[in-house]
Amino acid sequence: LAKTTQPISMDSYEGQEVNITCSHNNIATNDYITWYQQFPSQGPRFIIQGYKTKVTNEVASLFIPADRKSSTLSLPRVSLSDTAVYYCLVGEGNQGGKLIFGQGTELSVKP
Amino acid sequence: DSGVTQTPKHLITATGQRVTLRCSPRSGDLSVYWYQQSLDQGLQFLIQYYNGEERAKGNILERFSAQQFPDLHSELNLSSLELGDSALYFCASSVSQGAEQFFGPGTRLTVL
Repeated sequence: LAKTTQPISMDSYEGQEVNITCSHNNIATNDYITWYQQFPSQGPRFIIQGYKTKVTNEVASLFIPADRKSSTLSLPRVSLSDTAVYYCLVGEGNQGGKLIFGQGTELSVKP
Repeated sequence: DSGVTQTPKHLITATGQRVTLRCSPRSGDLSVYWYQQSLDQGLQFLIQYYNGEERAKGNILERFSAQQFPDLHSELNLSSLELGDSALYFCASSVSQGAEQFFGPGTRLTVL
């Protein structure tokens, strides 16, 4: 069963690029990697999902090396409103299965 | 607004009691997930249903059960409640397994 590990917290300044890495050494062949953002007292919100290599959307990029034992969420030019907790989620290939969340990375963006 | 609704928003009850949490998925979503979030355990996956059938089980206690009804709404039943069951319970839905999950606002359960 995949166990995920993330840094507990990170600090950044407005306009900087932020990279948050998640380790998932025991990731299964069918597992996808998904990142979510959560603000206090709200449900998590989808950011990006990938299986291997690189995925980019309008808000973030996700880098996954060939061995898939880690993944890095990249947030370009963060703003104060990006202050939140970021979770990586490993699991659920299209066959279903357990979903494992990391413990979350609390990102604090300062002016 | 994710389109996922959960009721009630808050629930306060006593140890030993039983409660039912309700979730209505986004229109068209067939898959429903339940999660528990507490300060010491983080986000824990409990169980997943797809079109009425149980598809995956996580760290769900035997005192907890869930089901998804023909209209696709889901209920999570928590019985013999203990103080440690106090947490935020989230429901999420997706159009299919592996797809982006949309989370509801959560139900905050307090067991006194």
